[in-house]
Amino acid sequence: DTGVSQDPRHKITKRGQNVTFRCDPISEHNRLYWYRQTLGQGPEFLTYFQNEAQLEKSRLLSDRFSAERPKGSFSTLEIQRTEQGDSAMYLCASSLIKSMAEAFFGQGTRLTVV
Amino acid sequence: AQTVTQSQPEMSVQEAETVTLSCTYDTSESDYYLFWYKQPPSRQMILVIRQEAYKQQNATENRFSVNFQKAAKSFSLKISDSQLGDAAMYFCAYRSQGAQKLVFGQGTRLTINP
Repeated sequence: DTGVSQDPRHKITKRGQNVTFRCDPISEHNRLYWYRQTLGQGPEFLTYFQNEAQLEKSRLLSDRFSAERPKGSFSTLEIQRTEQGDSAMYLCASSLIKSMAEAFFGQGTRLTVV
Repeated sequence: AQTVTQSQPEMSVQEAETVTLSCTYDTSESDYYLFWYKQPPSRQMILVIRQEAYKQQNATENRFSVNFQKAAKSFSLKISDSQLGDAAMYFCAYRSQGAQKLVFGQGTRLTINP
């Protein structure tokens, strides 16, 4: 296992289109996180899963955003009716269930909405 | 809500010298974790060092060490013997003991001059 994998790495879409990103965590990691990072800023938390259960969602996650982790393995993040403000890097991370567990990040999916 | 502030958008240092990156945070909690993450250009974020708030001893990882001042809510990162490979964005992050999300600062871009 080489780490957290995200696909695609880059996505350009027209405003109003739907997009879906995939994240494959490190295989033994029970927790999976999604963050959004805009240019020049630190990542902002969107949501996290423990196994297949989505346990926390940020207010940043509007109704147009939905995340799933159907079998407790990979996760998808879908954005419906994309807006220019959705342009950002979407980062996925995973970790074990331990108090000081390190979160391992993927390389991210860069979304550009034109 | 907790906030993390990195007041230095950019820093530069000569190769082999020492540099300190600043981070302050705001919280009313007594138990929490602090992290420094490194994000090289076009590569994934990796953990540099972490500190548990209940531990008075400052964490050290090879050339990286922190100065944790709990009362002042300050968590600076010192990089000794800077190397070209240290060039990256550095993010300070906070996590509550009972929570899973990381709260990141805005980042500091570190440049290493040969």
